[in-house]
Order: sequence, then C-alpha cells, then structure tokens
Amino acid sequence: DVKVTQSSRYLVKRTGEKVFLECVQDMDHENMFWYRQDPGLGLRLIYFSYDVKMKEKGDIPEGYSVSREKKERFSLILESASTNQTSMYLCASQTFTGTDTQYFGPGTRLTVL
Amino acid sequence: AQKITQTQPGMFVQEKEAVTLDCTYDTSDQSYGLFWYKQPSSGEMIFLIYQGSYDEQNATEGRYSLNFQKARKSANLVISASQLGDSAMYFCAIGDSGTYKYIFGTGTRLKVLA
Repeated sequence: DVKVTQSSRYLVKRTGEKVFLECVQDMDHENMFWYRQDPGLGLRLIYFSYDVKMKEKGDIPEGYSVSREKKERFSLILESASTNQTSMYLCASQTFTGTDTQYFGPGTRLTVL
Repeated sequence: AQKITQTQPGMFVQEKEAVTLDCTYDTSDQSYGLFWYKQPSSGEMIFLIYQGSYDEQNATEGRYSLNFQKARKSANLVISASQLGDSAMYFCAIGDSGTYKYIFGTGTRLKVLA
C-alpha cells in the first residue's frame, strides 16, 4: 500500500512565524503535491513537484514556497504565516503508471493566531 | 478548462440501503480520468475508485461502483449496502491523463442513519 505521511496532524503558530510542513512518501512516486482545503472551496493546488528540485506553481502559490531535495520528501514553507493561511493542508503523491491516482496523507490542520 | 460539479451539499441514507452521489464534469479533453475520494472527519483523503474516459465498463470496487455516462458527462458514485462508517465527505475529481493536475468538486457530505 502507498504510504504518505505528514509531519503534524495539528499545528498552531503565530502570525509572522516561519512554518514548515513536511510530507514523506514511500512508493518512489515522481510527483508530489500540496493542497489546501477550505470549507466550500474544495481542494486548491498550491504547488507541485515532478522531480527532485523541480517545482511548479499551482493555483494559489502566493505566500508559500516549497522544497524537494529528495524524491520521497516534499516540504511546504510559509515564510511569514498569516491568519488567512489557517487551513487544512493535504499532501499527495502520484506516479504516471496505470491510473495516475493521487494518494493523500492524513492532512495537517494549521491554525495561525 | 476542466470543471467538476457536485450539486448535493449533503445527503442522508438509511443503513444497508444504496445511495448515489452525483458528479458532473466538463472537459474538452478526449483522454481523462475520473476519481472519487472519501474524507472522514479525521481528514485523510481516501481513494475509492477510478474511471478512465476510454473504459467501456463502469468501474467497481467492492461496495463502490461508478455510473459513468460519457455523453452526459456524469460520473456518479453508487455505494451499496451503506454502513455507518460510510458517513464522510465525498469528493469527485477529474484529471487529464498524463498531466499533474486534478480538479476537485466541492464535495457531498453523506450521513448514514442507523
């Protein structure tokens, strides 16, 4: 089974702090994604990566950056957290074989005070 | 641009009955995939079922089946013999074959009643 893990289930930070969310997958997938989920808005793509050190902006990249130094690990960085970044953050991984299914981690509920 | 529409914000079903969750999509692509995910209150998105645009048969996975009507651009999820553990949010998504991006619907919250 595909296993995607995220560093924290719940996180509380203060405005202006630098925040790191980490995601690790164990299936050697090429692609990894960061989404945020807000009520009534569904999932929105922040960034994705298709290879080590490669990244592309998604639909809402403002205020975020990412890092992928190793194939299995994809980090989301909030350089200076703001209250409007309070949300559920979901990481996913995907390989281009078969159905292209994305597999998700358990999510991180981030609250910025 | 692709689009997914889930028109049912919430639904109730009696335990052991079947329920259909609606999903319509819009795309100009010929090759695409349709996905359903379940999200319990714990937050994790659990992959349920996949339908490829060229698949002639409706996909099935255990108690889940996908009623795929290509001409109508609909991909409804059918859950048979509902269980209390099926209570969750359900999301429909579309993805281009060979590309990275999924488009998700806004979800349907299903409540199974004992």
